Amino acid sequence: SAVISQKPSRDICQRGTSLTIQCQVDSQVTMMFWYRQQPGQSLTLIATANQGSEATYESGFVIDKFPISRPNLTFSTLTVSNMSPEDSSIYLCSVEGGGASKYEQFFGPGTRLTVL
Amino acid sequence: AQSVTQPDIHITVSEGASLELRCNYSYGATPYLFWYVQSPGQGLQLLLKYFSGDTLVQGIKGFEAEFKRSQSSFNLRKPSVHWSDAAEYFCAGAYNNNDMRFGAGTRLTVKP
Repeated sequence: SAVISQKPSRDICQRGTSLTIQCQVDSQVTMMFWYRQQPGQSLTLIATANQGSEATYESGFVIDKFPISRPNLTFSTLTVSNMSPEDSSIYLCSVEGGGASKYEQFFGPGTRLTVL
Repeated sequence: AQSVTQPDIHITVSEGASLELRCNYSYGATPYLFWYVQSPGQGLQLLLKYFSGDTLVQGIKGFEAEFKRSQSSFNLRKPSVHWSDAAEYFCAGAYNNNDMRFGAGTRLTVKP
């Protein structure tokens, strides 16, 4: 299984600012995913990030609001741009397991974002 | 449309009692099925998964789940709940790598 870390673990931000969340994996993975978990809600996929290509966004999420970078096989960033209180959520990254763990996803601890 | 449904938003059980959390799926074909647990302030941890074969799947922390094709269900069970099991439980289904669908989650409260 992969070990995933995220930075920051939590942050409180002002409306209109941007925050970049980092996701680091201890092994090389092809597919990385970014999810949003609004308060008391389930997980919603924001985008899939493959190394060497543009991220694929789900319906309702756009690159201008949530730009993603994937510079190598162990790292990705998600930026939450021009934040509003509605962006207050937990943001989680995950990776696909591959091999015997195909279709399984391993999750980072999440970044708890509060926008004032 | 592909979806996963958890009918129970919140369940309360007494410590030592048995537990069953319900999960139903709606897919064109049998998806890969997972149960994850999220403790307060934590990420998601995989409890168990079903791909094929034996319909009774054993997981970590004493959990098991049974796949029932006729009922499109994948219910999670534990014979004796511990106070540390209090958490949010998510059922998920996947038909390919980038299409994992999560249920709404069931919050488990354990009474002393």
